[in-house]
Amino acid sequence: GAGVSQSPSNKVTEKGKDVELRCDPISGHTALYWYRQSLGQGLEFLIYFQGNSAPDKSGLPSDRFSAERTGGSVSTLTIQRTQQEDSAVYLCASSLNRGSETQYFGPGTRLLVL
Amino acid sequence: KQEVTQIPAALSVPEGENLVLNCSFTDSAIYNLQWFRQDPGKGLTSLLLIQSSQREQTSGRLNASLDKSSGRSTLYIAASQPGDSATYLCAVKYSGGSNYKLTFGKGTLLTVNP
Repeated sequence: GAGVSQSPSNKVTEKGKDVELRCDPISGHTALYWYRQSLGQGLEFLIYFQGNSAPDKSGLPSDRFSAERTGGSVSTLTIQRTQQEDSAVYLCASSLNRGSETQYFGPGTRLLVL
Repeated sequence: KQEVTQIPAALSVPEGENLVLNCSFTDSAIYNLQWFRQDPGKGLTSLLLIQSSQREQTSGRLNASLDKSSGRSTLYIAASQPGDSATYLCAVKYSGGSNYKLTFGKGTLLTVNP
């Protein structure tokens, strides 16, 4: 069956522009997660959704970052007024529910801010 | 602060060698520990998951061990092959209210030379 998909796969933008990153989780998965993988920083948790609610936004690095999830399915991560330090790979994962052991990861979106 | 450390950062071995990748974590109150593989430009593939009550898990040529008291896990790869070349990531879910969040190490880049 289909796994987690993300779009775009690559995004190049200019400093100060807004970007939207999309994640399509596995059908039926109620939990969705965003992580960021920066050069030299490793993978860092950004936000967790259960259904359409985000009980944990603690990893969002600044108020320029926001995310939403609609219909318990697709999620969008928005970065406003992008900065060069936002350049990273943004990974999305989903799991059947919060207590599920396995998170399934998408291929990621590679963001480069010039 | 709950941290996960992986040593070495990079490892190069000739084909056929057995090898060990190391992971250490600062808080022994873990929910489970998971080893992932990441190929260039791809997402994460789960290799092995060890529950906090378990000591090891095996899958094919891979064996992962867990020692909570010392805060360590190892991933043993037997008879390495060039196709094993990838970055290997260790991730911990800690017990408590945030047991949905994965805390990652920075990974070990493995190169298996033919």
